[in-house]
Amino acid sequence: EIVLTQSPGTLSLSPGERATLSCRASQSVSSNYLAWYQQKPGQAPRLLMFGASYRATGIPDRFSGSGSGTDFTLTISRLEPEDFAVYYCQQYNSSPFTFGPGTKVDIK
Amino acid sequence: EVQLVESGGGLVQPAGSLRLSCTASAFTSDEYALHWVRQAPGKGLEWVSGISWDSGTIDYADSVKGRFTISRDNAKNSLYLQMNSLRADDTAFYYCAKSSGWYYEFDSWGQGTLVTVSS
Repeated sequence: EIVLTQSPGTLSLSPGERATLSCRASQSVSSNYLAWYQQKPGQAPRLLMFGASYRATGIPDRFSGSGSGTDFTLTISRLEPEDFAVYYCQQYNSSPFTFGPGTKVDIK
Repeated sequence: EVQLVESGGGLVQPAGSLRLSCTASAFTSDEYALHWVRQAPGKGLEWVSGISWDSGTIDYADSVKGRFTISRDNAKNSLYLQMNSLRADDTAFYYCAKSSGWYYEFDSWGQGTLVTVSS
């Protein structure tokens, strides 16, 4: 089983600031089968990124993803009020399709 | 637009059983996989089980293996999760999610159904 670790656990930032979220895998994620999801309180998760660096349909370009192998990053270039949420990474390289524990981005 | 709607959640006693359903609509791609993902209140996401389009590939998280059974009926655009021998730590919101194939990201999610295991 691939274990995913996310850091930091909580990121306190102001609107307009840049957010950098990290996701590290216990073993290499082949073909960059790594996704990022956003979840707001009381809502289902929403796909943001897939293939480590490809934005899902309708996701604004202030969101970007990078990385390969075991180290991946989600960057939000300028935080908008609607971006304050919890972000999860997930690997779909091998079953079980594990999720990281999440990074909460809250308002400073 | 793709829609997934879960049903069947509720309160059940420890060691009891429950069957969840998920109905899918408006898919443009036929050969999609379906998954169950759960989230205990205030906790993170946990993949529970998945099933390929033709039911030829099925897998479970170790935490539910031997107790839960996933199945699908493509004629009814439906996904099921039979949950037996339920425990308190199975209490969670259960989400149905779709991927375009087995090794694909989860691009559509339902709103979830709450399962509470308590006496």
